[in-house]
Amino acid sequence: DIQMTQSPSTLSESVGDRVTITCRASQTIIDWLAWYQQKPGKAPKLLIYKASTLESGVPSRFSGSASGTEFTLTISSLQPDDFATYYCQQYNTSPFTFGQGTKLEIK
Amino acid sequence: EVQLVQSGAEVKKPGEPLRISCKGSGYDFKKYWISWVRQTPGKGLEWMGRIDPSDSYTEYSPSFQGRVTMSVDESINTAYLQWRSLKASDTGMFFCARHQRGSGGYTYATFDYWGQGGLVTVSS
Repeated sequence: DIQMTQSPSTLSESVGDRVTITCRASQTIIDWLAWYQQKPGKAPKLLIYKASTLESGVPSRFSGSASGTEFTLTISSLQPDDFATYYCQQYNTSPFTFGQGTKLEIK
Repeated sequence: EVQLVQSGAEVKKPGEPLRISCKGSGYDFKKYWISWVRQTPGKGLEWMGRIDPSDSYTEYSPSFQGRVTMSVDESINTAYLQWRSLKASDTGMFFCARHQRGSGGYTYATFDYWGQGGLVTVSS
């Protein structure tokens, strides 16, 4: 199985900050990488697919990028609604696998 | 409005069978694959497998192959996940999720709509 490693596991930031979360794949996944946001007691929500394509309705402060097997989710200016846990997911090869998550907390 | 509505929480004993459901509405149910995803504190999010409602073709993760069975009843737009004999290690939150489809009709293994989740607790 392809292993997806996210860093950091936890992030403490303030409203208005710029935030970057990284996800590294154990082998090439081209750009078949998605990002999800999950809030407590809720299902994950798709934010970005194909490494950098914003899902419809997702605010433009979210962006994604790729360099080889390293992928990045950036939030340009944190809003109160953004404090949640973020997961990456590869869909290049079955079984499709998720990162362990990055919890974004309010500082 | 696209919705996936799952059946409620279940508390079961080891060895008991279980079937949970996921009802789709607001879209053409047959056109979109459904996956099941388990979430546990220890292992996080795990993709279990997927089913194509148009022909009931299934693909399982090796981690779940032989442990669960996925099925659909397209007459009522409902997907099912079932166990013949539960173990304590089957405990978790289970989500159904709809696969994304591209403009050309190609299906991707990204999930654009999710059910609300259903907690399954297996304990003696």
